[in-house]
Amino acid sequence: GAVVSQHPSWVICKSGTSVKIECRSLDFQATTMFWYRQFPKQSLMLMATSNEGSKATYEQGVEKDKFLINHASLTLSTLTVTSAHPEDSSFYICSATPDSGLTDTQYFGPGTRLTVL
Amino acid sequence: RKEVEQDPGPFNVPEGATVAFNCTYSNSASQSFFWYRQDCRKEPKLLMSVYSSGNEDGRFTAQLNRASQYISLLIRDSKLSDSATYLCVVNQGGDSGGGADGLTFGKGTHLIIQP
Repeated sequence: GAVVSQHPSWVICKSGTSVKIECRSLDFQATTMFWYRQFPKQSLMLMATSNEGSKATYEQGVEKDKFLINHASLTLSTLTVTSAHPEDSSFYICSATPDSGLTDTQYFGPGTRLTVL
Repeated sequence: RKEVEQDPGPFNVPEGATVAFNCTYSNSASQSFFWYRQDCRKEPKLLMSVYSSGNEDGRFTAQLNRASQYISLLIRDSKLSDSATYLCVVNQGGDSGGGADGLTFGKGTHLIIQP
């Protein structure tokens, strides 16, 4: 099956630092990847749609200058949380849909747990 | 606002029992429907897609009722390993005019299978 990896698995950082999270599709190409965020006891919320070779599309209420997305290749998207603050502490999960797939099934990465002190 | 609503539970069910839960969605233009399973502090994993004709995969049966805008999941002969949070997921579709779309997740229904 399609595999999506994420790195790092978890990160603890001080307030004000920037954190980069990588999302890779290991055995398929994905023109489009998605970034979600999940706070404790809450549902996953779509943050942005990452498009290879073009600008990401952000959901309402998500600051594009705060959450920088770069989709430089068909297998890699990165999310950078700039000047992280404690309220950014969350579980960040990416997903990807294979370009060659017959359905719109999304495959999720294992997630990155961010804790900002 | 396009929402997906689920009863959060928890549902405490004895091993071997049959359990069902529903989910409702607000956007009548939604195109694709899924049930995902999420274990504690893990990423969601696709359990099954939900088709208009209904579909079954082993002990799991999913139904879609477009007229009433609800989706159901039935688990038969429940196992201890079925304990998890079950996420109802909808692909709204259509807004961007094409290509893949982000998913809208319900908050999940927490299921606990007891020995």
